[in-house]
Amino acid sequence: NAGVTQTPKFQVLKTGQSMTLQCAQDMNHNSMYWYRQDPGMGLRLIYYSASEGTTDKGEVPNGYNVSRLNKREFSLRLESAAPSQTSVYFCASSATGTSTGELFFGEGSRLTVL
Amino acid sequence: LAKTTQPISMDSYEGQEVNITCSHNNIATNDYITWYQQFPSQGPRFIIQGYKTKVTNEVASLFIPADRKSSTLSLPRVSLSDTAVYYCLDTNAGKSTFGDGTTLTVKP
Repeated sequence: NAGVTQTPKFQVLKTGQSMTLQCAQDMNHNSMYWYRQDPGMGLRLIYYSASEGTTDKGEVPNGYNVSRLNKREFSLRLESAAPSQTSVYFCASSATGTSTGELFFGEGSRLTVL
Repeated sequence: LAKTTQPISMDSYEGQEVNITCSHNNIATNDYITWYQQFPSQGPRFIIQGYKTKVTNEVASLFIPADRKSSTLSLPRVSLSDTAVYYCLDTNAGKSTFGDGTTLTVKP
């Protein structure tokens, strides 16, 4: 049982380049999330998808777009990468998206923008 | 999304009980209180969750007073492998806001 799988695990971009981070979960969860974590800090919510077909902004959505491709997959796109987007990105999923929803995280994608 | 307040760091020794307290000054009626653990280079992992009073599982206990403005995570008899960052969150509809966490260092 793989849980939450993120690709790629590492990526280096130049300023202005674009890329997509992929996330897939095999737990049949309804809700999926993208967080970023800067060094020494907590996680900040970028976007989330409460259910298939819906997406909503989190705390720090600027510079990002998301797509909930199907129930399993939730992608995060950087259209024009900036050095300020250098971070570790975590995808997570939860069963119900309700107040009691436990978050299951992937291993993270480490992005460096030069 | 409410953000919690917790100590930046704590030190302990193996075998001791560790209590980490969190302030939930802006918690909403429908929010649950959730704690996560994060090791370096890994995603956070769920530890425990509660709404009111006391919750206990195989890993930890969570104490929540009646006014729900604070919570205390209790880790019994910590070991070196408990060295990690611990986050307390107000959780509503899965939209959890992470603070900066408490770095717990367990010494031999």
